[in-house]
Amino acid sequence: DARVTQTPRHKVTEMGQEVTMRCQPILGHNTVFWYRQTMMQGLELLAYFRNRAPLDDSGMPKDRFSAEMPDATLATLKIQPSEPRDSAVYFCASANSWTGYGYTFGSGTRLTVV
Amino acid sequence: SQQGEEDPQALSIQEGENATMNCSYKTSINNLQWYRQNSGRGLVHLILIRSNEREKHSGRLRVTLDTSKKSSSLLITASRAADTASYFCATSLYTDKLIFGTGTRLQVFP
Repeated sequence: DARVTQTPRHKVTEMGQEVTMRCQPILGHNTVFWYRQTMMQGLELLAYFRNRAPLDDSGMPKDRFSAEMPDATLATLKIQPSEPRDSAVYFCASANSWTGYGYTFGSGTRLTVV
Repeated sequence: SQQGEEDPQALSIQEGENATMNCSYKTSINNLQWYRQNSGRGLVHLILIRSNEREKHSGRLRVTLDTSKKSSSLLITASRAADTASYFCATSLYTDKLIFGTGTRLQVFP
């Protein structure tokens, strides 16, 4: 089965450090999403791309978060500087907008900022 | 912000029983999807129902959609211990963007 691959699976970092999370979407999927999951807020959409172009990043704190797709096989989410409130599980998902089917999620990056 | 709310928040049943989860949403939709999340894992797509459909089946899953009430239900028949997970509904309107509900935690006891 095709998979969305996220790295790293776990990350512990100190407050103020830069964090980079990576995602390899499924080959042929043209839409990539970044979600954040916490107990308090549930699943929040941070940003998404279609054909590598950013379509919506309104859910993302702009001062410290940035999302990019340098090529069709890589999406990145960066936090600089990180803060304890950023601790969460970050999921990447990809989909093919032409089929209108569901998303395929990665296993997530569990981020802990101390 | 959450579009949907699942009800109940938590559900415990015995193996073999049916499990029903409900989802209510706030705005018009193009489609509604259900996902499962096992503890510590990513979400897995289960089923998609379009706004012009009323019912859909997939194996032991049955989904209904009532757009007049802005609600959907997911029925899992003959539940198994392996069905223990959180279940989320998600909606989209005119874009690919999915907004997820708050989830129902299902526990199935052997």
